[in-house]
Amino acid sequence: GAGVSQSPSNKVTEKGKDVELRCDPISGHTALYWYRQSLGQGLEFLIYFQGNSAPDKSGLPSDRFSAERTGGSVSTLTIQRTQQEDSAVYLCASSLAGSVSEQFFGPGTRLTVL
Amino acid sequence: AQKVTQAQTEISVVEKEDVTLDCVYETRDTTYYLFWYKQPPSGELVFLIRRNSFDEQNEISGRYSWNFQKSTSSFNFTITASQVVDSAVYFCALSATVTDSWGKLQFGAGTQVVVTP
Repeated sequence: GAGVSQSPSNKVTEKGKDVELRCDPISGHTALYWYRQSLGQGLEFLIYFQGNSAPDKSGLPSDRFSAERTGGSVSTLTIQRTQQEDSAVYLCASSLAGSVSEQFFGPGTRLTVL
Repeated sequence: AQKVTQAQTEISVVEKEDVTLDCVYETRDTTYYLFWYKQPPSGELVFLIRRNSFDEQNEISGRYSWNFQKSTSSFNFTITASQVVDSAVYFCALSATVTDSWGKLQFGAGTQVVVTP
């Protein structure tokens, strides 16, 4: 597809379970971002990948959160031992490298932790 | 630290009225970028505009216009002759280039715009 895709669109899980969220960026975009959108915290930056550089993980809220990007394309955000406060919409975005260009956002994954 | 303030939580207007959304930012960087994004009820964030800190020219795109004033650290957004399709949450965002990762966006809290017929 032409845009950023994310899967699943919705995920309901029980407290304490691990979840994996997937992001497929736009082909050719080397920069990839994860954000979280929740009622209490608004839109928060989580992590940023740029090419082969070490990712900027400064926004990850705890060590239960991790992300990887394989082959410079697809990214997976993993949340271990989920808590109710992890309930949010997780948004992925990608952009061209080399400039602060517009970020194209995916539709998001709505995570509900029961 | 970077900060973006959108003081208006919600603005309700009747169709054809103009609406102005306020955005005030804070950064120590001298080079930075400002953005506006729209989030319609469908949920997907849509890019509207990017402006760098060295370009203070106002911009107009159809019914949308932006007023960037470095002196007051503001980047306000006006929708002229609003339409029902403009109903959405609008986010202002800042990307600093020295103290933060290149391209990382710091978002404001968003302003909900409700346009009624």
